This record gives sequence, C-alpha cells and structure tokens, in this order.
Amino acid sequence: QVRLQESGPGLVKPSGTLSLTCAVSGGSISSPKWCSWVRQPPGKGLEWIGEIFPSGRTNYNPSLKSRVTISVDKSRDQLSLKLTSVAAADTAVYYCVSGGWYFEYWGQGTLVTVSS
Amino acid sequence: EIVLTQSPGTLSLSPGERATLSCRASQSVSSRFLAWYQQKPGQAPRLLIYAASSRPTDIPDRFSGSGSGTDFTLTISRLEPEDFAVYYCQQYGSSPPATFGQGTKLESK
Repeated sequence: QVRLQESGPGLVKPSGTLSLTCAVSGGSISSPKWCSWVRQPPGKGLEWIGEIFPSGRTNYNPSLKSRVTISVDKSRDQLSLKLTSVAAADTAVYYCVSGGWYFEYWGQGTLVTVSS
Repeated sequence: EIVLTQSPGTLSLSPGERATLSCRASQSVSSRFLAWYQQKPGQAPRLLIYAASSRPTDIPDRFSGSGSGTDFTLTISRLEPEDFAVYYCQQYGSSPPATFGQGTKLESK
C-alpha cells in the first residue's frame, strides 16, 4: 500500500515561500497514476492545488498558478511543493495525495501557518 | 470552472437511519470522474466512492454512489456510529482539473 508523508516548516512569514516535500513509500512515484497537492484551511473545505504526471507535466489551480511549483525527484520518490508570496489566507493543512482522477491515498497532512 | 454544490449543509440523523447526500455540478461531469470522500476530525479524507458508484475494497457496502450528468448521490443505507463525519464530492476533468464540493456534515441526532 502506498504511504505518503509530508514534511516541512510549520511556520512561514508573510511574503515568504512555503516549501514542502512528500516522501512516497510502498509504491513508486513513477507509477501510471500521478500525485497532487490539496490544502484545507482550518475549519474549511478542500482546495486542489495542482498535480504532476510521471512525465513531469504539471497542472495548477488557476487561482494559485502564478505562485505555485510542483516538482518530483523520481530517484528519491519524493514530491515537492513551493508556494511563493504567502499570506495569512495560505494557512492550511497541506496534503500530498496520489491516485490520479480520484485521490486514493492521502498523507496525514501538515499544518502550515503563515504569520510573522 | 465546474462548481460542485452539496446539500444539505448539515444532516442530522440517528444510527440505523438512511442518509442521502447530494452533489450537484454546474456543468455535466463524466461519471468516470466523480468521487466521494469521508473526513473525520483531525484526519485526512478517505476515498469512499470513485467513478460515481465504485467502492474501494475496504469500504463497507452500506456506502453506495449513484447519479450522472449534473446530479450525484451518496447513500449510506444504515448509519453506524463511525459514519458521522464530513463528506465531500470531487470532480476531475475540467479547468481546474479537480474541484471539491463544500462538504456535508453528517451529525448524530
């Protein structure tokens, strides 16, 4: 069974860059299915951030596209997320997910707070 | 962008009762790309239904999905205490590729 584990700083200053990684185990990040990032502000619903295919092609949520980069290190089975120019509205639990059209496997999530 | 609207916002039922949750799309969604998730407090969402009506092997058969086009339904035939949670529908396929409904909270009466 695929396992996903997010890691990264829990606190980021406003206007800074949020950087998270996701370690994939029990499967390969290069499998036919692909990975995405999803976030959830405290007490609110789910928001899809973007996805990366095994080819390296990416799709991003238009609302975040100018600020987000998703990449993958196949040799380490690791997924990365970078979000620039963060503000308080970017405070959320960030999830690494896998599965393609639907999200079969989820990491436990990591809370990132944007605050000075 | 395809907007998914879930109703009701909150559903109050008792264990043993039947729950019917609705997900309406602003444009037609391929059944292949409609999924449902369950989320309990402090936990990541869990996939319940994919392709509108298919169930992963570890999901109990009291959970079922149906619908097509713009109207989809998640039904829980007989509520168990562990079923009280928030439920989200999700579609894939249109820009942005993936969107979620705002969620339905299923609470114990």
